[in-house]
Amino acid sequence: GQQLNQSPQSMFIQEGEDVSMNCTSSSIFNTWLWYKQDPGEGPVLLIALYKAGELTSNGRLTAQFGITRKDSFLNISASIPSDVGIYFCAGRPIGNQFYFGTGTSLTVIP
Amino acid sequence: GAVVSQHPSRVICKSGTSVKIECRSLDFQATTMFWYRQFPKQSLMLMATSNEGSKATYEQGVEKDKFLINHASLTLSTLTVTSAHPEDSSFYICSAREGAGELFFGEGSRLTVL
Repeated sequence: GQQLNQSPQSMFIQEGEDVSMNCTSSSIFNTWLWYKQDPGEGPVLLIALYKAGELTSNGRLTAQFGITRKDSFLNISASIPSDVGIYFCAGRPIGNQFYFGTGTSLTVIP
Repeated sequence: GAVVSQHPSRVICKSGTSVKIECRSLDFQATTMFWYRQFPKQSLMLMATSNEGSKATYEQGVEKDKFLINHASLTLSTLTVTSAHPEDSSFYICSAREGAGELFFGEGSRLTVL
């Protein structure tokens, strides 16, 4: 199935730094979701977005639904060691199907 | 958020045997469940979409006779890997939808075929 372009593929940052990642698609989406996956676990939903331009926060995490409806961004402020993991975006155009980003692997150096 | 439980979390089996993995939505009715396969350090690969009471829709390249999916109730879907071989070893994850909203994932099942 279709995969979304997610970047960066990996990040190595110092504890306390802010993190930004994004996903883009070639088609318009109605829903954007952001997940975090720890090794050996299933993805856990972080933030859900439903409207173009929507900006939603969950603690130190903030995500935005792009105005063009073809992209979404996730920011993590003041990173901490437990932020380590793989972050996935998921988008849904009209219909039932969700498409996933290729993932961003985050490493936080204490 | 809604809870999706997957069982077993780890299974080791001999080549040629069949393995069943269960996916349950614990606090909501999931009309649609999805099954994925994930290789190390890669994204989720959708295998099939399962609608309650009807046959699963398989993605291109996924053998429906190899990966049997049953969605008999609004809270349970099962994936059976038939006549498993070492190349079937992988991390299998299910997800479920609550209405038209978010997608919630199970904890994943690590299958190792010896």
